[in-house]
Amino acid sequence: EVQLVESGGGLVQPGGSLRLSCAASGFTFSNYWMHWVRQAPGKGLVWVSRISADGSDTRYADSVKGRFTVSRDNAKNTLYLQMNSLRAEDTAVYYCARAEYSGPPTPPDHWGQGTLVTVSS
Amino acid sequence: DIVMTQSPDSLAVSLGERATINCKSSQSVLYNSNNKNYLGWYQQKPGQPPKLLISWASTRESGVPDRFSGSGSGTDFTLTISSLQAEDVAVYYCQQYYSLYTFGQGTKLEIK
Repeated sequence: EVQLVESGGGLVQPGGSLRLSCAASGFTFSNYWMHWVRQAPGKGLVWVSRISADGSDTRYADSVKGRFTVSRDNAKNTLYLQMNSLRAEDTAVYYCARAEYSGPPTPPDHWGQGTLVTVSS
Repeated sequence: DIVMTQSPDSLAVSLGERATINCKSSQSVLYNSNNKNYLGWYQQKPGQPPKLLISWASTRESGVPDRFSGSGSGTDFTLTISSLQAEDVAVYYCQQYYSLYTFGQGTKLEIK
């Protein structure tokens, strides 16, 4: 069974940092592209970042570019999101999700339950 | 950036009736070299992560009931639920993956 379990969320002050983790199991992690998607309380889904299967190619939404860094450790089957210079508008549930890559990009097909990040003083 | 706009924002449909949700992209998401539309549909129930229902505009994911169908091409797409069931109450999102990734704002589907 495919499982994605996020951790690392919590309360952080504006300007602070946080690192999220996503532990993957039940599939060959190193074969999949991985995404971070967030959802502010009561709002819609917003794509944040994605990383290629080998970690060599990363992309970010403009709203987080230069502040967030996505990475992965395929030996540990774990995805990370380092979040710096956090702002109140970064408050959201952060989901990790996997996407198959066989040439063209594909939509994320399995998602974790999410971890809540709250940026507040 | 490609902007995705869904309509309506909310929808109330009687059990057993048809529900239709529209999604429009600000530019075409049809990739001419493979004739595929890079468009997916998700269902999100309260307190749960999104679930992928449809990819490539019209391909149902494994296990998704056949009352869910997707159609459209280029910039205009539709998700149809042919006979609404109580368990279909959710928020539905379209997403383009042609140029990075963008979601529509969501459509809340309720029972009338």
